[in-house]
Amino acid sequence: KQEVTQIPAALSVPEGENLVLNCSFTDSAIYNLQWFRQDPGKGLTSLLLIQSSQREQTSGRLNASLDKSSGRSTLYIAASQPGDSATYLCAVRSTGNQFYFGTGTSLTVIP
Amino acid sequence: GAVVSQHPSRVICKSGTSVKIECRSLDFQATTMFWYRQFPKQSLMLMATSNEGSKATYEQGVEKDKFLINHASLTLSTLTVTSAHPEDSSFYICSVAPGQGVHYGYTFGSGTRLTVV
Repeated sequence: KQEVTQIPAALSVPEGENLVLNCSFTDSAIYNLQWFRQDPGKGLTSLLLIQSSQREQTSGRLNASLDKSSGRSTLYIAASQPGDSATYLCAVRSTGNQFYFGTGTSLTVIP
Repeated sequence: GAVVSQHPSRVICKSGTSVKIECRSLDFQATTMFWYRQFPKQSLMLMATSNEGSKATYEQGVEKDKFLINHASLTLSTLTVTSAHPEDSSFYICSVAPGQGVHYGYTFGSGTRLTVV
């Protein structure tokens, strides 16, 4: 069974810093990996979707990379802002068509 | 991308009553929708896969008689929590995959916070 782990579980940084969130998965047989943002008490907002054949995707200040063979993905956030404070979840869609979520990283950006 | 509407966003009910949560795909015909449950400070757990016109597929450990799923149309799936108890209090979220291929990402509803008192 696929296991998805995110490190760190919580992160607090001052505004303006660049930061990296990590996601690892145990089974490399995936179709794609998706990064989401979740605000307290809210649903999930999709940030980036990386296909298994891709190495990275970029959207604004966000850059996500994927190394399928090693079972790792990173989400890079440049010039962090207080509005970036949220929980970030990664999820993989396995070739068995199951969708597995990571444990999440709670980010706080201090003004 | 797809737009998913979930209603209500928040509901408080008495123990023993039933609560219905709706998930609508506004701009996409979804033959399949997914229902998740999220406990505080934990990740999402898949409860069931809702299939239009057929029975839902439940994950191991999820009581199908407790969590009734109906997917009567291509744009609407409902989750009914029957005879709710305080331990059913949780955050419930639905999602759809807006595309027939496996290379599409998932879109999620805004979630429903259920509190059973």
